[in-house]
Amino acid sequence: GQNIDQPTEMTATEGAIVQINCTYQTSGFNGLFWYQQHAGEAPTFLSYNVLDGLEEKGRFSSFLSRSKGYSYLLLKELQMKDSASYLCVKYGNKLVFGAGTILRVKS
Amino acid sequence: GAGVSQSPSNKVTEKGKDVELRCDPISGHTALYWYRQSLGQGLEFLIYFQGNSAPDKSGLPSDRFSAERTGGSVSTLTIQRTQQEDSAVYLCASSQGAKNIQYFGAGTRLSVL
Repeated sequence: GQNIDQPTEMTATEGAIVQINCTYQTSGFNGLFWYQQHAGEAPTFLSYNVLDGLEEKGRFSSFLSRSKGYSYLLLKELQMKDSASYLCVKYGNKLVFGAGTILRVKS
Repeated sequence: GAGVSQSPSNKVTEKGKDVELRCDPISGHTALYWYRQSLGQGLEFLIYFQGNSAPDKSGLPSDRFSAERTGGSVSTLTIQRTQQEDSAVYLCASSQGAKNIQYFGAGTRLSVL
C-alpha cells in the first residue's frame, strides 16, 4: 500500500519549535516532499529529501531515514502565519499525499 | 506563464450538467497533474500527463471523468453528468525534471447542486 501516516492536528506556541512526524511504506521510494497548505489555498513546496539526514532551509528543516520509512518537518521560531496544514508526500512512481497535519500556532 | 493558472476559480453547476475545468501549466513544464481535494481531506490523484499523453489515468473515479492535453501545454478536465459527490476543489500541478517538484495552481472549487 501507499499509506502515509502523520498526526491529524498539532498545537504550538508562537516562538516555539514543533516537529511534525511522518511514516510511510519504504517500497518504491524515490523521495519525500513536504508541502504547506493554508486554508483555501493551493499547496506550496517546502522541502525535498532523497538521502538520509537533515536538510535545513531557514526556519524549516526536514529529516529523512529511508530504512525506517520516517521523516519529520521541524519548524523553529514559530510565527502565527505558520498556522497551516503540512502535507507529507511520498514520491514513488507518482506522488502520494498524506492527509496533512493541521498546525495551530497560538500566541 | 509565471505560475500555474486554473480557470474558473469557482464553478457552481446543477446535477447532471457537464463541466470543463482548465489548467495552464508553467511554461516549459512537461508533466501535468490533476488532483481532487474534498473538504478536510487529503489530495486525491486523478491523472498525470507527460507531454500530451497520459501514462497514468488510474485515479479517475469513473468514466464520467476525462482529461486531455494539447500542444504539451493547456489541459482540460471534463466531468460529464455531474453528481453532488463531485463537489470538491480540483487542483492542477506541473513539474519539470527528475525531482518532480510540483507547483500547484489555486484550484477550481466545484459545487454541484
